[in-house]
Amino acid sequence: EIVLTQSPGTLSLSPGERATLSCRASQSVSSSYLAWYQQKPGQAPRLLIYGASSRATGIPDRFSGSGSGTDFTLTISRLEPEDFAVYYCQQYGSSPRDTFGQGTKLEIK
Amino acid sequence: EVQLVESGGGLVKPGGSLRLSCAASGFTFSSYSMNWVRQAPGKGLEWVSSISSSSSYIYYADSVKGRFTISRDNAKNSLYLQMNSLRAEDTAVYYCARVSSSWTRKGPFDYWGQGTLVTVSS
Repeated sequence: EIVLTQSPGTLSLSPGERATLSCRASQSVSSSYLAWYQQKPGQAPRLLIYGASSRATGIPDRFSGSGSGTDFTLTISRLEPEDFAVYYCQQYGSSPRDTFGQGTKLEIK
Repeated sequence: EVQLVESGGGLVKPGGSLRLSCAASGFTFSSYSMNWVRQAPGKGLEWVSSISSSSSYIYYADSVKGRFTISRDNAKNSLYLQMNSLRAEDTAVYYCARVSSSWTRKGPFDYWGQGTLVTVSS
């Protein structure tokens, strides 16, 4: 099973700042089958990024993903108030069993 | 409009059983792989199980293997999760989620239901 470790656990930033979230895999994620989701309280997760760097439909271009192999990054270039949420990474193609990271909470400083 | 609506959650005693359903609409259900994902109160997401479009490929997380059974009825546009031998640690909101592409068995999840809460307690 591929284990995904996200860091930091909590990130405290102000609107307008840049956010950098990390996701590290215990083994290589093939073909960059890595996705990022945003989840707000009481809501289902929303797909942001797939294939490590492709934005899902309707996702603003301030969200970007990068990385390959075992190290992946989600960057939010300029934080908007609605971006404060919990973010999860997911690997979905390297093994029959998907796995999620434990999440990074992005909170207002 | 794509919609996924879960039902069947509730309070059950340890060792009991429950069957969750997910009603799909707004897309060709029979063409897409589907998944169950759960989230314990205040915790992160945990992938539970997946089933391919024709039910040929089925996978489970180790934490539920042998106790949970995923199935689907393409004629009824419905996904199911039969949960047996329930434990306190199975308490969670259970989401059904669609794989984004009809061309692949695996993929990111582009649509999610609103979730149904399962509470296992005596």
